[in-house]
Amino acid sequence: DSGVTQTPKHLITATGQRVTLRCSPRSGDLSVYWYQQSLDQGLQFLIQYYNGEERAKGNILERFSAQQFPDLHSELNLSSLELGDSALYFCASSGGNPGELFFGEGSRLTVL
Amino acid sequence: KNEVEQSPQNLTAQEGEFITINCSYSVGISALHWLQQHPGGGIVSLFMLSSGKKKHGRLIATINIQEKHSSLHITASHPRDSAVYICAVLGLTQGGSEKLVFGKGTKLTVNP
Repeated sequence: DSGVTQTPKHLITATGQRVTLRCSPRSGDLSVYWYQQSLDQGLQFLIQYYNGEERAKGNILERFSAQQFPDLHSELNLSSLELGDSALYFCASSGGNPGELFFGEGSRLTVL
Repeated sequence: KNEVEQSPQNLTAQEGEFITINCSYSVGISALHWLQQHPGGGIVSLFMLSSGKKKHGRLIATINIQEKHSSLHITASHPRDSAVYICAVLGLTQGGSEKLVFGKGTKLTVNP
């Protein structure tokens, strides 16, 4: 158990809909990262938050947004969903030791 | 050409064999991660390296910064080592922040 909790584990929705994925980092970790893993693209970095502020941005679409709340949990919002958004979405957190990453179990999104 | 190349893509071994997975990268990095992803989808960070060599149990990771190359070795392989092993490099974005860039992964199957 990494200590990082992601919900929901599985989500099935339709094109055009909006979903929210939630991540609770390890206790005390200030950094939260979001990654997307699709069959054709592999793992890709989406966005990083540090103590509530956006720190780095990767290949995140404009239809997607994220935030980190004062209690350090983070949410990834995916809107106007397309078939190609079907993927595993991972959250990871890091804290004390620089570069050490702890991954959640992922949220599997299926868009029909 | 991908920024991070792994070889081989697929590897099948017999229990007890010595395994080597290679990773080459083309960008400047501050660190390199080796990750393990089990069939259930969860990701575990095995090592983070910025130089030299690290060992954890039967796993050894090395990095050569000058040659931009890293290897992950598994000694006395076991069926429970069957997983996808992913190399990821921590590089700089244009904005000056760091982000992980992932290889496509190496699928390892260890037969009893």
